[in-house]
Amino acid sequence: GIQVEQSPPDLILQEGANSTLRCNFSDSVNNLQWFHQNPWGQLINLFYIPSGTKQNGRLSATTVATERYSLLYISSSQTTDSGVYFCAVNSGGFKTIFGAGTRLFVKA
Amino acid sequence: EAGVAQSPRYKIIEKRQSVAFWCNPISGHATLYWYQQILGQGPKLLIQFQNNGVVDDSQLPKDRFSAERLKGVDSTLKIQPAKLEDSAVYLCASSRTTGGIDGYTFGSGTRLTVV
Repeated sequence: GIQVEQSPPDLILQEGANSTLRCNFSDSVNNLQWFHQNPWGQLINLFYIPSGTKQNGRLSATTVATERYSLLYISSSQTTDSGVYFCAVNSGGFKTIFGAGTRLFVKA
Repeated sequence: EAGVAQSPRYKIIEKRQSVAFWCNPISGHATLYWYQQILGQGPKLLIQFQNNGVVDDSQLPKDRFSAERLKGVDSTLKIQPAKLEDSAVYLCASSRTTGGIDGYTFGSGTRLTVV
């Protein structure tokens, strides 16, 4: 089945810094989503982005489907950005596969 | 629109006991998913329903786990008997289409501790 790898596994930022999270996948995908899991465990859908670029406030995402990767950009990070960021892909079957996540901690 | 509702929020049981979780998806979402998230890992799909039929249960430990979605709306996930390694957060999600191609919405989860 499709493999999903996220990097880095852990990231510590000073408030105000920018960061880039990466998601590599091993096969073509029909769907790619980025989620944020807050410290209380709630998973929030950030982007549905099988290809192209999208922006939402301080967050943006780019998926290059032909090269099998996606990037999530966080600008001017805030302490509320802390949590785990997951990439999840669907390769055309019924199942969506999650990566292991990037754990982000933003220091005040 | 209302979100995905799950209950209970927390549950602590002893090993070999049984437990059940409940999920009510977003109205009109035909596909419902149960995920298991062990601490430090990404969510793992246990079972996926399309209306009231099972689409994928390949990773469901069927000797102890069962799930149903009667009437194609809300769903229950049961563990009997529980083991220590079942300690995890159980997440329910729903989507309008099969496979979540249009995006998922997750509930707040049930945190299960087996002692």
